[in-house]
Amino acid sequence: DSGVTQTPKHLITATGQRVTLRCSPRSGDLSVYWYQQSLDQGLQFLIQYYNGEERAKGNILERFSAQQFPDLHSELNLSSLELGDSALYFCASSIGGSLNTIYFGEGSWLTVV
Amino acid sequence: DQQVKQNSPSLSVQEGRISILNCDYTNSMFDYFLWYKKYPAEGPTFLISISSIKDKNEDGRFTVFLNKSAKHLSLHIVPSQPGDSAVYFCAALEGTGNQFYFGTGTSLTVIP
Repeated sequence: DSGVTQTPKHLITATGQRVTLRCSPRSGDLSVYWYQQSLDQGLQFLIQYYNGEERAKGNILERFSAQQFPDLHSELNLSSLELGDSALYFCASSIGGSLNTIYFGEGSWLTVV
Repeated sequence: DQQVKQNSPSLSVQEGRISILNCDYTNSMFDYFLWYKKYPAEGPTFLISISSIKDKNEDGRFTVFLNKSAKHLSLHIVPSQPGDSAVYFCAALEGTGNQFYFGTGTSLTVIP
């Protein structure tokens, strides 16, 4: 158990809909990261937050947005869903700073039908 | 632009033999490197790391080697066990940026 909690574990929704994925980081971790893993793909970095502020942005679509709340949990909002958005979405957290380690949650399986 | 590359998508090794997984990077500012192991439908789990001030780090059956001049790191697993069958990702961190860059993964199969 990495200490990073993601909900829901599985989600099936229709095209055009909007979903929210939630992540609770490990206790004490200030950084939250979101990654997407599609079939046969590596881990695609989406976005990073550090203590409530956006720190880095990767290949995140404009239809997607995220935020980190004062209690440090984070949400990833996916809207106008398309079939190609079906993927495993991982949240990860770290203390922040140099030489730190990132710990992953179990992921949220999103299936768009 | 893929700054961390794992050029071998898959690797098969006999049980008991050595597994060598390779990773190359392009950014000379990376100063911390990590390896993660991932089973299907699970999150990646941290395996071992190495700072750029070292060239080798060992933890049990796992050893990571770093060659800074070649911008190359490798993970050695000795002896390989069937339970090691998983996808292995290497990752790099640039200290100032706090962003982790992941490779595309190598699927290791250890044959009993």
